[in-house]
Amino acid sequence: SAVISQKPSRDICQRGTSLTIQCQVDSQVTMMFWYRQQPGQSLTLIATANQGSEATYESGFVIDKFPISRPNLTFSTLTVSNMSPEDSSIYLCSVETADRGLDEQYFGPGTRLTVT
Amino acid sequence: QQQVKQSPQSLIVQKGGISIINCAYENTAFDYFPWYQQFPGKGPALLIAIRPDVSEKKEGRFTISFNKSAKQFSLHIMDSQPGDSATYFCAASMYNQGGKLIFGQGTELSVKP
Repeated sequence: SAVISQKPSRDICQRGTSLTIQCQVDSQVTMMFWYRQQPGQSLTLIATANQGSEATYESGFVIDKFPISRPNLTFSTLTVSNMSPEDSSIYLCSVETADRGLDEQYFGPGTRLTVT
Repeated sequence: QQQVKQSPQSLIVQKGGISIINCAYENTAFDYFPWYQQFPGKGPALLIAIRPDVSEKKEGRFTISFNKSAKQFSLHIMDSQPGDSATYFCAASMYNQGGKLIFGQGTELSVKP
């Protein structure tokens, strides 16, 4: 499976500011995703990070609020813009690989964001 | 129709017992069903996964049972250990949806020594 790292691991931010989260994978992958996990809740897909083109956002998530970059096949960033306390969540990147013949999805350790 | 419903929300099992977590789905187009294990402060880790062409898959102490007609699948943890105490998520996806995973609500498992 791919080794995925995220920076920062956690942060406390003031409302109205923005935070950029980085996701680095140790091998080239086609598919990268960003999920949100609100406190004590399940995971919700924010968007698919497409290399060389605009990200594909899920219903309820917009590019102005969550701009995503994917400059190459091993790296992506997610920015949480103009933050409010409701944005306090764990943000996770994931990648899809076919190491075992299946398209399996692996997650990074997450970035725990608290907005005050 | 995109939902995956997971139960129970929490589960307490004695060491050595069998933990059973159930999931149900509506969309028959789902064709991939993974289970993830998440410890506090960590990202979800892929535990085991199944496709609808088989009814059961076993990896060590973990078994997925799949009932296509009932649109249900379950995770069985045999000989449960305190180290298995974590939150478990089922999920589902469709091949033509580009890997988008729909997650269940999660089950918090506690294995008592």
